[in-house]
Order: sequence, then C-alpha cells, then structure tokens
Amino acid sequence: DTGVSQDPRHKITKRGQNVTFRCDPISEHNRLYWYRQTLGQGPEFLTYFQNEAQLEKSRLLSDRFSAERPKGSFSTLEIQRTEQGDSAMYLCASSFDLGWQYFGPGTRLTVT
Amino acid sequence: GNSVTQMEGPVTLSEEAFLTINCTYTATGYPSLFWYVQYPGEGLQLLLKATKADDKGSNKGFEATYRKETTSFHLEKGSVQVSDSAVYFCALSERSGNTPLVFGKGTRLSVIA
Repeated sequence: DTGVSQDPRHKITKRGQNVTFRCDPISEHNRLYWYRQTLGQGPEFLTYFQNEAQLEKSRLLSDRFSAERPKGSFSTLEIQRTEQGDSAMYLCASSFDLGWQYFGPGTRLTVT
Repeated sequence: GNSVTQMEGPVTLSEEAFLTINCTYTATGYPSLFWYVQYPGEGLQLLLKATKADDKGSNKGFEATYRKETTSFHLEKGSVQVSDSAVYFCALSERSGNTPLVFGKGTRLSVIA
C-alpha cells in the first residue's frame, strides 16, 4: 500500500491557462475526495466520488472546475481559465466505505 | 451548516509542557470528530478520532474526548516534544469518516527545546 499519490506536486501557471491535476487513491478505496487549502486556512471540500459517480459538489466548485473519475480508480481535477484566486494547495483523499479518509501530499498551484 | 472552531495559534511551548488545543463544533445530528496533523512539508495525517459522545480518541500520547454537552473535542498531550511541532486541524463529518470533512482553520504548534 503506497498511500494516496498526487501529481504534480507543484504547478506554476499563468492566469488564463488550463491546468489538470491527478490523484491516485489507495487501491480498493471506493471513495475519493478533493479539497482545497489556502494559506492559513483548513482544507475546504470541493467534490467527492463513490466509484465513478460524482456524489456531491461544493458551491466552491465553480463552472471552471471539473473533476472526473472515469474508471473508479484515479481522478483528475481540471481548472479552466485559471485566476489568481485559484492559487492554493489541492488535496486528494480516499476511503473505503465507512473507513477514514487518507490524504495525499497535495498539489500546490501558483497562478501568476 | 456544520462548522468547526478551534483556537487560533500559533502556540509556542517548551518541551515537556502540557498542551491543550480547544475545538468546538456546530453540527446537526451526531457527527464523528477528528484531529488531523500536518507536519512541515508533509500531507495531512489522521491523528485520532471519536464517533460518539464520551468516546476518547488517543494516539501518540495525544487524547481528545467527544463532549456532546459542550460540543467540544479538545486535544491534549501531557508532555510535548519538539517533534510534535506541526499544524493541528480539528474536523467533523456527518457520518463516520466517509462523508466530506469540515475542518477548522488549524492551530500551529511550535515546541522549543
């Protein structure tokens, strides 16, 4: 069990560009969560999946954000037309049914 | 909606001092409560949890008791070490651990030798 992995670990992009992040959950974990953490704040929920199905989306997830989990394994989070306010740490977590959430190391996004 | 409030930091303690980080919550129903820790340069790690009133979670010398009457889940440790320096987050979820977590803002702890 290698834990939750995220790629890339750091991303610097110019405002207006699109970015995509990947999360690989712990194998056999059927639930996958995305959170966003800004400096000095706790993580805030964005969206989560059970297998392939996206079960809930936060109001924080504007229409520029889209997440997928096509085969119920890895997930991608895409941000279109990035804005400076999107600069944050994007965290992925996974769990199995009623189990606890295990977090990955995060992807730090800087929009210049 | 659900929310978590924890004491603001930073908290600076000398080694072997007693630690308390306060956490209170607002929730409907009977949430599960968690403490996560983020060491410098690392991801969030689950430190301890409690799923019902009067449960005590414990791990690595840290303890927290689920107090429904005061809606609190304060983190304590009897004797802190330099290696405990980290940011600590209190969190809740509506059911066990498999629904989205609501986090507090975090409390930075620095322990000096």
